[in-house]
Amino acid sequence: SQQGEEDPQALSIQEGENATMNCSYKTSINNLQWYRQNSGRGLVHLILIRSNEREKHSGRLRVTLDTSKKSSSLLITASRAADTASYFCATVTRGSNYKLTFGKGTLLTVNP
Amino acid sequence: KAGVTQTPRYLIKTRGQQVTLSCSPISGHRSVSWYQQTPGQGLQFLFEYFSETQRNKGNFPGRFSGRQFSNSRSEMNVSTLELGDSALYLCASSPTGGSGENEQFFGPGTRLTVL
Repeated sequence: SQQGEEDPQALSIQEGENATMNCSYKTSINNLQWYRQNSGRGLVHLILIRSNEREKHSGRLRVTLDTSKKSSSLLITASRAADTASYFCATVTRGSNYKLTFGKGTLLTVNP
Repeated sequence: KAGVTQTPRYLIKTRGQQVTLSCSPISGHRSVSWYQQTPGQGLQFLFEYFSETQRNKGNFPGRFSGRQFSNSRSEMNVSTLELGDSALYLCASSPTGGSGENEQFFGPGTRLTVL
């Protein structure tokens, strides 16, 4: 069963615009991670945010976590065509022995 | 350091056959996890091995099994293949802890097609 659910399922923007993807989850988490996957290839880790953190940055990426709303968002600023990929949130539920559960992802298309 | 490698990259099998996939983690990583990715079900956790012991297991039938060797390399086996087993199988490694305690480093995957 999916723990995290990304929204929207697909997003199409122009180069230079910002892209925001959201993730909602159901049960208390230990941490939440965002990954990127280029078409049919392996996943690349982007950011890990722990339950006691509210915001993290990495280059053009900004992740927020609101544990009261059980939600997270990933913001990509000044997007580039190379950012075209699927983005997944993955949660580690408390008591799960650190098992990572992925959502179904958001397909981001950045048009040049 | 070399990344996570998976072999083979592509595989075609017929129903009823069995298959073994291999994963070599990043040097020094002791945790290896396996995932199945399909268009319908998305990314699903299969199992995790740490120091040759299965630490976590997903909700897959017993036809799916795995093991880890003393050098941390891991194999997963699927017996009596079904059409629904067609998927991208991803392996990921991390240095310590459970699969979700730290970032996971993924391999390129093995694309399995069952005819």
